[in-house]
Amino acid sequence: SQTIHQWPATLVQPVGSPLSLECTVEGTSNPNLYWYRQAAGRGLQLLFYSVGIGQISSEVPQNLSASRPQDRQFILSSKKLLLSDSGFYLCAWSRPGLYSNQPQHFGDGTRLSIL
Amino acid sequence: QQPVQSPQAVILREGEDAVINCSSSKALYSVHWYRQKHGEAPVFLMILLKGGEQKGHDKISASFNEKKQQSSLYLTASQLSYSGTYFCGTALNAGGTSYGKLTFGQGTILTVHP
Repeated sequence: SQTIHQWPATLVQPVGSPLSLECTVEGTSNPNLYWYRQAAGRGLQLLFYSVGIGQISSEVPQNLSASRPQDRQFILSSKKLLLSDSGFYLCAWSRPGLYSNQPQHFGDGTRLSIL
Repeated sequence: QQPVQSPQAVILREGEDAVINCSSSKALYSVHWYRQKHGEAPVFLMILLKGGEQKGHDKISASFNEKKQQSSLYLTASQLSYSGTYFCGTALNAGGTSYGKLTFGQGTILTVHP
């Protein structure tokens, strides 16, 4: 069966510090991978998606970046965090495909607080 | 374009039914439904594809009206475990590949009381 791991679970960082969140998927090959952000009491905002190693598409211009160095590894980074980067960050995977006809399965998320 | 969910919140007693709607101003390829409990990750419920269909499992079902670009989630004989925030995620029918890109609604908070 497939599993998705995301860490850390919580993170408190000062403004201007760097960020690295990691997500790995097991039990499947060449998944589509996604990073979402959820502000408190709000819906999910798609930040990045990837359909293969080194292939990253950005949905929202911001000071975040994503990388996919291995097939089942997805990393969210920032060089300098802003207060507005606070939120609940979720990684998700779906079976590979060109169309939006596969369920997305979410990791447990990282709760990021910027001080 | 973010889909619009209604109602924003609903309160039920165990055993009552509820309907949550998700509407789009653009043509949709698919509608995905998720439930999120407080502090947890969203959990997949079901997908509906264009062409108009209805799906269900247990006492939760959904429909997709392609003419209206609206999907409805039906929860019958609600249980305490149904409490949470329900999100619809939509993929546009843009005539090309979308790679699973979803735009989520703002959510509907469902509270079930004993």
